[in-house]
Amino acid sequence: GAGVSQSPRYKVAKRGQDVALRCDPISGHVSLFWYQQALGQGPEFLTYFQNEAQLDKSGLPSDRFFAERPEGSVSTLKIQRTQQEDSAVYLCASSLGPGGYGYTFGSGTRLTVV
Amino acid sequence: RKEVEQDPGPFNVPEGATVAFNCTYSNSASQSFFWYRQDCRKEPKLLMSVYSSGNEDGRFTAQLNRASQYISLLIRDSKLSDSATYLCVGANSGYALNFGKGTSLLVTP
Repeated sequence: GAGVSQSPRYKVAKRGQDVALRCDPISGHVSLFWYQQALGQGPEFLTYFQNEAQLDKSGLPSDRFFAERPEGSVSTLKIQRTQQEDSAVYLCASSLGPGGYGYTFGSGTRLTVV
Repeated sequence: RKEVEQDPGPFNVPEGATVAFNCTYSNSASQSFFWYRQDCRKEPKLLMSVYSSGNEDGRFTAQLNRASQYISLLIRDSKLSDSATYLCVGANSGYALNFGKGTSLLVTP
């Protein structure tokens, strides 16, 4: 596609519920990133994929967070047993390569845990 | 302490004014720097890269001072459409971006 597509756009989850957030990167982009942006804050790095390999997951806040990109294209960020502090916008970005250049962000998924 | 610190503002300026944003970074290993713009409820978008030699793009000028670990963005002749949050960004690992909290700008008629 022309841009990075994320779905759903909005998600309301009851505390304790599991959620799955989808990211469809720009075709041919090798690198894929997930960021978490809390209200009034800048985005915080969660995890990085190069093709299907998850090379860095150091930003995932707890073991309730899990990300995958099995075929090196679409990625899913899963959050188990959601908590109120998980409420944030989850941004996906892709780029042709690493280095911070050529990043394109998706519109994000706004997750609200009630 | 965040790796990238910036004044959150808000900066309220009249149309036509010149406004400057500053940010500092703590990781001397940071290699690349950027300014991103984020409109309300939208995704961040790259405004410009920042180089030690300074770079200019129309009304926008960015500057990096590695000795002071300081980055700046100057906006001349502010337009109403410049109203947004400006995010200062460093990259040190080669892929992950370190964002500041953002500086809010409101340009008023």
